[in-house]
Parts: sequence; structure tokens; C-alpha cells
Amino acid sequence: GENVEQHPSTLSVQEGDSAVIKCTYSDSASNYFPWYKQELGKRPQLIIDIRSNVGEKKDQRIAVTLNKTAKHFSLHITETQPEDSAVYFCAASRGTSYDKVIFGPGTSLSVIP
Amino acid sequence: ETGVTQSPTHLIKTRGQQVTLRCSSQSGHNTVSWYQQALGQGPQFIFQYYREEENGRGNFPPRFSGLQFPNYSSELNVNALELDDSALYLCASSPGQTSGANVLTFGAGSRLTVL
Repeated sequence: GENVEQHPSTLSVQEGDSAVIKCTYSDSASNYFPWYKQELGKRPQLIIDIRSNVGEKKDQRIAVTLNKTAKHFSLHITETQPEDSAVYFCAASRGTSYDKVIFGPGTSLSVIP
Repeated sequence: ETGVTQSPTHLIKTRGQQVTLRCSSQSGHNTVSWYQQALGQGPQFIFQYYREEENGRGNFPPRFSGLQFPNYSSELNVNALELDDSALYLCASSPGQTSGANVLTFGAGSRLTVL
């Protein structure tokens, strides 16, 4: 079945540095790749997503890149701040109406002031 | 615009019992997905409902079942509870239209503890 892998499982960076989280997916028909942020005790919230018709998308300090040939995508956070500390989940879906979204296992990011 | 609401927020059951969890979808959303999130893990897809029918299922046994109602709200039922069913159960709704079909909005979850 479909599978999404994510690395690293934990990541610690100094405030102001960049953080990169990488994901791979198994279903070659996937074409929608969202990223969710989950703070402790809270619900997952969408922070950015990308569809397969583009290779990169940026929103202020966060960006996502996609390599469909290699079936991997990455989240880049620049100028990290303590409030970026959370668990980040990548996910993949075929993107057609009503298709399921499969999540990776998560990356726990700690930003050290 | 109202968000996704779930009830109850917390509950404790014993092994072998049955539980029903409820979810109200966000206004304008007609598709509901249920996820199980064990501690320290990513959300695991249980199933999705659209037009009151199950529309895709993950690797969960038949004792996990659901319903969707005409107002798009949904229930998750779990029979014969096992200790491993202890988890946060997340409901997510989505627009179910071509544009943004899979953009999930999550509820706060129902924390189930099975003793």
C-alpha cells in the first residue's frame, strides 16, 4: 500500500538557523503533498502544500520542494524561531477528489533560543 | 464559518467495550476522514466518508466502523476495544471538490484510553 517516510525523526537547531525535513513516498500516482504542523496538545494545521505541476513553493520563511522523478519532497524553514518548535508531518495524496491523505511519522523540531 | 468539532474530548473505556466518537465537519465541507494517532506517531488513515458512504479504508479491522449523516457530520464506532486502541482519534473534513479536494481541516481530537 501507500507509504510515506520522513527524516529525521528529531531535529534540533539554533534560533536563526535553517531546518530541512525530507520525505519520500511510494505511490507514483501521488500529486498532492501537504505539510502539517502540530504543536503539543493541539490539532495538526496545514502550513503549506504543493501540487505536482510545480517544483517549488514558498511562503515567507517556509518553502517546499518536490522531485517527482525521485519521489521525494522537502520542507525548508529559514530563520527559525522558538515558535517553530513543533512536530511536522509530511503527507501525500493522489489529489483527485475524495482521495485519502497518507501521513509520514513526523519530525519533532526544537529551536533553541 | 465554524471549524471541525469533535466530542467527547476525553474518555476512558475498558477492554471489550464499545465507543462512539462524533465529528461535525467545517461549514461547506462534505467529506470526512478519520485518523488514529498513537502517541509519538503520525496520523494513520482509518476511513473516509462522502455522501454517507465509506469511500476508502486504511488497514483497520472491521470492528472500526463509521457513519456519515445528511448534514455531513460523522461518527466513528469501535467495537470490542483493545488496549492498543488507546490513541487520539482525529476527524478531518475537506471540501470534496476538484479544487482543494484533499485539503484537510482537523478537529481537536478525542483522546481514548482503554484500560
